[in-house]
Amino acid sequence: QQQVKQSPQSLIVQKGGISIINCAYENTAFDYFPWYQQFPGKGPALLIAIRPDVSEKKEGRFTISFNKSAKQFSLHIMDSQPGDSATYFCAARPEYNNNDMRFGAGTRLTVKP
Amino acid sequence: KAGVTQTPRYLIKTRGQQVTLSCSPISGHRSVSWYQQTPGQGLQFLFEYFSETQRNKGNFPGRFSGRQFSNSRSEMNVSTLELGDSALYLCASSLLGQNSPLHFGNGTRLTVT
Repeated sequence: QQQVKQSPQSLIVQKGGISIINCAYENTAFDYFPWYQQFPGKGPALLIAIRPDVSEKKEGRFTISFNKSAKQFSLHIMDSQPGDSATYFCAARPEYNNNDMRFGAGTRLTVKP
Repeated sequence: KAGVTQTPRYLIKTRGQQVTLSCSPISGHRSVSWYQQTPGQGLQFLFEYFSETQRNKGNFPGRFSGRQFSNSRSEMNVSTLELGDSALYLCASSLLGQNSPLHFGNGTRLTVT
């Protein structure tokens, strides 16, 4: 059922660097693409989300880039901080508007001080 | 506003037993979804409830069931537990609508021995 592929599986970045996580989806019937951040022992928390009619969305240090024709979207974390060390999940929601969210496998980000 | 509350946080059960997990959504949220998170399969959708009715169901066996009460609180039940049911079970609540994000609780960690 995996319809969202996420890479890389793990990522190590120096403090102040840019973290980039990529996702690709297989089904065109998705209409909402969120990114979640999860710390150990916690549930995923919504970071930022985008709809397919927008090519880019920025919130603070976090930016989603969306390429509808390539069925790809990515998360950029600018000026990465040690506090950003967490697991990040991309997701896609079917356009029939329910909460059957399809998640990527996750990327474990480590930001070294 | 209080977040999504899941109880208990940890559970240890024996194969063949059954278990009930509880979820209290954010006040005003009438949609409740359940997800299973494992290292191997990632985050997988179990089912979603809205107004005490199951709206959608993921690809899990009938041993996994749920219900929602009139106050939007939800429970999920797993009968005849198997070792493979060991996982973090996450509940998420949301408003109903195309741009409504999922708000996750911190989960119930179930260990089956």
